[in-house]
Amino acid sequence: AQSVTQLDSHVSVSEGTPVLLRCNYSSSYSPSLFWYVQHPNKGLQLLLKYTSAATLVKGINGFEAEFKKSETSFHLTKPSAHMSDAAEYFCVVSSYNFNKFYFGSGTKLNVKP
Amino acid sequence: SQTIHQWPATLVQPVGSPLSLECTVEGTSNPNLYWYRQAAGRGLQLLFYSVGIGQISSEVPQNLSASRPQDRQFILSSKKLLLSDSGFYLCAWGYAGELFFGEGSRLTVL
Repeated sequence: AQSVTQLDSHVSVSEGTPVLLRCNYSSSYSPSLFWYVQHPNKGLQLLLKYTSAATLVKGINGFEAEFKKSETSFHLTKPSAHMSDAAEYFCVVSSYNFNKFYFGSGTKLNVKP
Repeated sequence: SQTIHQWPATLVQPVGSPLSLECTVEGTSNPNLYWYRQAAGRGLQLLFYSVGIGQISSEVPQNLSASRPQDRQFILSSKKLLLSDSGFYLCAWGYAGELFFGEGSRLTVL
C-alpha cells in the first residue's frame, strides 16, 4: 500500500526566507511522487513530480523537491518565499499504474510580510 | 486544450435529500476520472475513480455512488445525504501521471 505523511500541518515563514515543507512516503515499490498546491477555494495545481528520473526535481514558481530513498522523503523547498506562495500544499503518491493517487493531509503555508 | 468543468460550485442541502454533482472533461478521450472529497484539515480522500465508461472503483464504503454514463462525464450521487457528507468535492482527470482538477463543489448539509 502507498501513503504519504506530511509532517507539518502549518508552516509560517517571512517573505524572502526559505521554505521547507516535509513529506515522507511509504510504498511497496519505487514510487511516483508529486506536490500539488491549492489556493483558497480553488482546485489543485501540479507543482512538480518525481517518476524515477533525476532525484532533484524542479517545478513551477521556483519550487523544487529531492527524492531521498534512504530517508523515504520528498521534501519541498523554495529558496525565497513570496506572498503569493501562501496556500495549502499536498504531497501525493500514485499507484504503480497511475490509476490512483493518494494525498497527504496537507500543509498550510503562511507567508508574513 | 483540455478543460474540466464541475458544477454546481456551491450547494446547501437538507439531511436526507438527494445529491448530484456533475463533471465533464473536454479536449481528451478516455481519461481516468476521479472524485475526491476534502474535509478541513484532512487532505483529499479518494472516493471513486474510473478508467472507462461504466467502470467505477470505490475506495471508501459510504453514502455516495458514482457513475460514468459517457466517456467524459462523471457524476457523484447520493440518495439521502448525511451531515457527514458536507465537504469540498473535487473532480479530476488524469493523464501521464498528472491530475487536472476542477474548481470544486462545496456541499453543506444542514
